Amino acid sequence: SQQGEEDPQALSIQEGENATMNCSYKTSINNLQWYRQNSGRGLVHLILIRSNEREKHSGRLRVTLDTSKKSSSLLITASRAADTASYFCATDRSGGSYIPTFGRGTSLIVHP
Amino acid sequence: DSGVTQTPKHLITATGQRVTLRCSPRSGDLSVYWYQQSLDQGLQFLIQYYNGEERAKGNILERFSAQQFPDLHSELNLSSLELGDSALYFCASSVGGGQQETQYFGPGTRLLVL
Repeated sequence: SQQGEEDPQALSIQEGENATMNCSYKTSINNLQWYRQNSGRGLVHLILIRSNEREKHSGRLRVTLDTSKKSSSLLITASRAADTASYFCATDRSGGSYIPTFGRGTSLIVHP
Repeated sequence: DSGVTQTPKHLITATGQRVTLRCSPRSGDLSVYWYQQSLDQGLQFLIQYYNGEERAKGNILERFSAQQFPDLHSELNLSSLELGDSALYFCASSVGGGQQETQYFGPGTRLLVL
């Protein structure tokens, strides 16, 4: 089963609105990363948050991590049509070999 | 452009056949990862190589194999293909393959097995 699961599966908003997507995972992690994928293209790395961090910002992106709840959220503020894409969280398991595990993604559509 | 290249872009073949997908990592990256993305399974990690050696193995079928060559390019071989192997196959690279490193993804190879 997937280590990380994004929620919601799909999100449709208007330009200028904020978009929030969540990721839940099952086992302890070292890091959690968020990626974006435009339709049929490769994934693009957005941000990495370490297990000892609670919040991180990058431009219009804000990521939070709650290790007690095994969850993370990605907030995109003032969304643009160009933000339309699928967003994935990727986790690694603490201890043992590094096997990155992706969720199924949240499909975000931003209407102009 | 991530700097990771994959060939071919598209591949159409028949069940039972064998194909080879090729990946060239970003200049300077020693680690290569292979992923399979399908509608029903999502993005699945297959295997990782670091400087020519296998480092981690994920959900890779026995019919699939990979290797990384001295020039650091990698190939993923898929044999005895089945309809269910139809998917997007991505290669990614990173500098050293560590847990905190960013992976740079290639554009993918879309495989269709008929």
